[in-house]
Amino acid sequence: QPVLTQPPSSSASPGESARLTCTLPSDINVGTSYIFWYQQKPGSPPRYLLYYYSDSNKGQGSGVPSRFSGSKDASANTGILLISGLQSEDEADYYCMIWPSHAVFGGGTKLTVL
Amino acid sequence: EVQLVESGGGLVQPGGSLRLSCAASGFTFSSYWMSWVRQAPGKGLEWVANIKPDGSEKFYVDSVKGRFTISRDNAKNSLFLQMNSLRAEDTAVYYCARDREIATIQYFDYWGRGTLVTVSS
Repeated sequence: QPVLTQPPSSSASPGESARLTCTLPSDINVGTSYIFWYQQKPGSPPRYLLYYYSDSNKGQGSGVPSRFSGSKDASANTGILLISGLQSEDEADYYCMIWPSHAVFGGGTKLTVL
Repeated sequence: EVQLVESGGGLVQPGGSLRLSCAASGFTFSSYWMSWVRQAPGKGLEWVANIKPDGSEKFYVDSVKGRFTISRDNAKNSLFLQMNSLRAEDTAVYYCARDREIATIQYFDYWGRGTLVTVSS
């Protein structure tokens, strides 16, 4: 059972950018993995945000602002969710996911917009 | 508009059974893989099971194999999860989710609001 590592918390101020990370286990190569990101606000179900494989292979969820984008850091075996122009409504839990043989989620990062 | 509405949750004793339902609308249900994903109180997300559009293939997380059964009724646009031999660690909100596919990889593009299952004596 692979484990995706996400920092438990992160914070940034309105208007700034937030960079949320998702580190894959050493036996799974981020370079050949699709990384999916979900947002969850208190009392609500998760919302699909986007997937990232490469700059030429990525996709945005329906209605998701372009402020949300994905990338990878191959040297750190990590997927990244970048949220630019932070707004108070972006305060939520964010989960990454991969699908090696079935869905595997990270533990989630609670993003606080100060 | 895609809608997924779960029902059937509640309080059940350890060792008991419960059947969850998910009513789907706004899309051609019979064309999609469907999943159940759960979230224990204050915890993260855990995929539980999924089922092929025609119901011929089903997959489960190891912790529920032999205890849970996923099924569907395409004529009624409904997804089910039969949960037997329930344990305290099965306590969670159970979400119904629609699967999408990219290059044989699946993800979840729509989620229901969930139904709470509490296993306690």
